Amino acid sequence: EPEVTQTPSHQVTQMGQEVILRCVPISNHLYFYWYRQILGQKVEFLVSFYNNEISEKSEIFDDQFSVERPDGSNFTLKIRSTKLEDSAMYFCASSEGGQVRYYGYTFGSGTRLTVV
Amino acid sequence: AQSVTQPDIHITVSEGASLELRCNYSYGATPYLFWYVQSPGQGLQLLLKYFSGDTLVQGIKGFEAEFKRSQSSFNLRKPSVHWSDAAEYFCAVGARGSQGNLIFGKGTKLSVKP
Repeated sequence: EPEVTQTPSHQVTQMGQEVILRCVPISNHLYFYWYRQILGQKVEFLVSFYNNEISEKSEIFDDQFSVERPDGSNFTLKIRSTKLEDSAMYFCASSEGGQVRYYGYTFGSGTRLTVV
Repeated sequence: AQSVTQPDIHITVSEGASLELRCNYSYGATPYLFWYVQSPGQGLQLLLKYFSGDTLVQGIKGFEAEFKRSQSSFNLRKPSVHWSDAAEYFCAVGARGSQGNLIFGKGTKLSVKP
């Protein structure tokens, strides 16, 4: 079964450092997403991406965040200057179509980011 | 505001027993509803979804869920739980005004006793 692959599975970084979280979506999917889950809290939407641009973003997705699809296979989330409160599990997801009621998502297994 | 509530943080059931995980939502119109499961070290896997039609929805792994508009609920059920069902279960609703954004509940952790 096709999978969404995320690397690394766990990353530790110092406060103020830049991090890049990587995702390889399913090859024929066109819509890409990042979600995060702070420990003990809900999974929260960050951003959706289609046709090489952001289609939606949440209030969480401020100027320190950016996303990119640098080539035909990778989808990255960059956090420019990490803060302690950025510590969370970050999930990448992809979808064949943009209407979640029809397609749902396929999620990756997540990257646990720890900011120290 | 839209929200999803999963009232049970942790549930323990015996293997072979029936299971019901509760989910309540707050949404102004007909919601799109989902259940996802996360096994340790795995991603979120879609179990089932509802957006119209028959209010009893069948999913993978023997799960089903029933949409009850009058109770704003979408509870997940399984008649006989297996040890491999131990995982965390998330209910989610499609966000209004968004085609792709999901709003998740906090999740219910299921433990299975032998």
